[in-house]
Amino acid sequence: DAGITQSPRYKITETGRQVTLMCHQTWSHSYMFWYRQDLGHGLRLIYYSAAADITDKGEVPDGYVVSRSKTENFPLTLESATRSQTSVYFCASSDPNGRGGARTQYFGPGTRLTVL
Amino acid sequence: RKEVEQDPGPFNVPEGATVAFNCTYSNSASQSFFWYRQDCRKEPKLLMSVYSSGNEDGRFTAQLNRASQYISLLIRDSKLSDSATYLCVVNRVAETGANNLFFGTGTRLTVIP
Repeated sequence: DAGITQSPRYKITETGRQVTLMCHQTWSHSYMFWYRQDLGHGLRLIYYSAAADITDKGEVPDGYVVSRSKTENFPLTLESATRSQTSVYFCASSDPNGRGGARTQYFGPGTRLTVL
Repeated sequence: RKEVEQDPGPFNVPEGATVAFNCTYSNSASQSFFWYRQDCRKEPKLLMSVYSSGNEDGRFTAQLNRASQYISLLIRDSKLSDSATYLCVVNRVAETGANNLFFGTGTRLTVIP
């Protein structure tokens, strides 16, 4: 039961570089989410996707791009990384038809990103 | 104003103690309520849902007061393994139909031997 995985787990990059964080889930959940977690803010939603080829902005989408060509993958791209994007990024998925319905989200292990 | 507000703690309690966490939410359109647990440097995991009638899961009891927009979590007979950060979470359905979660910053609990 692989569940939901993220890669890389740790990443250090420089200001201005493009970075892509990967998220993969094996459950065929229709919904997927990207959050960032910072001290003093808790988890904040960046983008979410209701299904393949359907994405929508969350609370803090600026500076990020997502795509979802396949149900199981939901990559997050920082087009030109800034120091303020240093954070821990969590991917999550949920299944409207599963136990707990769409409201229960399952999180990946996170990616710790540092932008120098 | 933050969507969900929690006392950040930390709460340091001895084993066997009873500890209570509180949380308030600002949007009355919030529909569902949860407590998630997050261990240090790990991902959040669902601890329990919170229902208006109150609900219990072993040593954990959750309460919701919709009128006051207040949520609580009570942990009885604390164990060392309960040491973690507890996240108060509310759910609202977006215009797109997605169930969006809003997280508090978490309350940190350390249970001391």
